[in-house]
Amino acid sequence: DSGVVQSPRHIIKEKGGRSVLTCIPISGHSNVVWYQQTLGKELKFLIQHYEKVERDKGFLPSRFSVQQFDDYHSEMNMSALELEDSAMYFCASSLVNSDYTFGSGTRLLVI
Amino acid sequence: GQQVQQSPASLVLQEGENAELQCNFSSTATRLQWFYQHPGGRLVSLFYNPSGTKHTGRLTSTTVTNERRSSLHISSSQTTDSGTYFCAKSSNTNKVVFGTGTRLQVLP
Repeated sequence: DSGVVQSPRHIIKEKGGRSVLTCIPISGHSNVVWYQQTLGKELKFLIQHYEKVERDKGFLPSRFSVQQFDDYHSEMNMSALELEDSAMYFCASSLVNSDYTFGSGTRLLVI
Repeated sequence: GQQVQQSPASLVLQEGENAELQCNFSSTATRLQWFYQHPGGRLVSLFYNPSGTKHTGRLTSTTVTNERRSSLHISSSQTTDSGTYFCAKSSNTNKVVFGTGTRLQVLP
């Protein structure tokens, strides 16, 4: 078990472009959440899925969509990228009411 | 308002000194977790501690649920402890809210 795996690790996109971030949770973890962190500041909650159903949405822009698949992996589709979207994107997984394990994050730079 | 407040915002220690980091949350927490973020960005879970006291190595976490606070004590700090410490809480919905973090710098 290699923990929560995020890909890609780093990505550079042009303003207005699109990107897809992937999160593979720990085996058996059906609760997956996404966070955005800008410049080492607090982590902003974006969205949570549990058992492939969206449970809660936070600061997720309407230009972004997130889907959880049958094997519980999650994909964040980002479109019409803006400079302000440059950040670290973390996903984390857990069992219900258990502690979260975070992935190593994806660093997105929009130029 | 901020649901999870941490203090101090930043802290500078000499190696060997102790540190006490505080976390206060504004509503009931069913899950309280402390994280350490490496300077390079990696997030590591330190404690899952919804109540009571837990120890690991030089770290101690104490959560008093009915007072909506938690603390992280670092004893005999080392330069490798430098980084940012986050407290995060969630309620029944499992949504986790992070505090703004305490940035710790331990000088040799």
